[in-house]
Amino acid sequence: GAGVSQSPRYKVAKRGQDVALRCDPISGHVSLFWYQQALGQGPEFLTYFQNEAQLDKSGLPSDRFFAERPEGSVSTLKIQRTQQEDSAVYLCASSLAVPSSGSRNEQFFGPGTRLTVL
Amino acid sequence: GQNIDQPTEMTATEGAIVQINCTYQTSGFNGLFWYQQHAGEAPTFLSYNVLDGLEEKGRFSSFLSRSKGYSYLLLKELQMKDSASYLCAVRVQSGGSYIPTFGRGTSLIVHP
Repeated sequence: GAGVSQSPRYKVAKRGQDVALRCDPISGHVSLFWYQQALGQGPEFLTYFQNEAQLDKSGLPSDRFFAERPEGSVSTLKIQRTQQEDSAVYLCASSLAVPSSGSRNEQFFGPGTRLTVL
Repeated sequence: GQNIDQPTEMTATEGAIVQINCTYQTSGFNGLFWYQQHAGEAPTFLSYNVLDGLEEKGRFSSFLSRSKGYSYLLLKELQMKDSASYLCAVRVQSGGSYIPTFGRGTSLIVHP
């Protein structure tokens, strides 16, 4: 069956360029998360959507980062004026339900977009 | 914020048993997950604990002690394909949301 897909898989940008990363979650999944993963590190939380509502953006590192999910399905993470420290793998994950107390509701991850800023 | 600690790297022999520990300090605890991540691939779900005790699933088991802020993942009958990074993630309540927060991962190397 179809899992979470992300595009592009690889992106090379020159410092100062804007980039847009796309995530297609599993159909029907309510929750969508974006994470940033540096080499040898665990995923760092960026932002969370419940349907089209962005309920938590506390992990976005600066105002250059912006995410949207306008129709509650596909999501886009946009990074403006990219910097070298933005180089990382950007992971998208979706889960079926709204996370609630005691429910498993595990995350399904996409393959990630590897962003390299030169 | 949350503080999740796990060893950076472990090595083990094919056929052996290995235990990967995870300690955490957090408020609003709402469950602990283990994920497996092969190099260059997406994390995949292994286990979930929300109550104290041991959850067994095939060769993999996971244990949780909430009072101690401690979990471990136990892998039995190790196979070469088990070489991967193992991520401990704690789900915490943040406002009205529940957000899984990941540790840095433990890189497991299985050798013949």
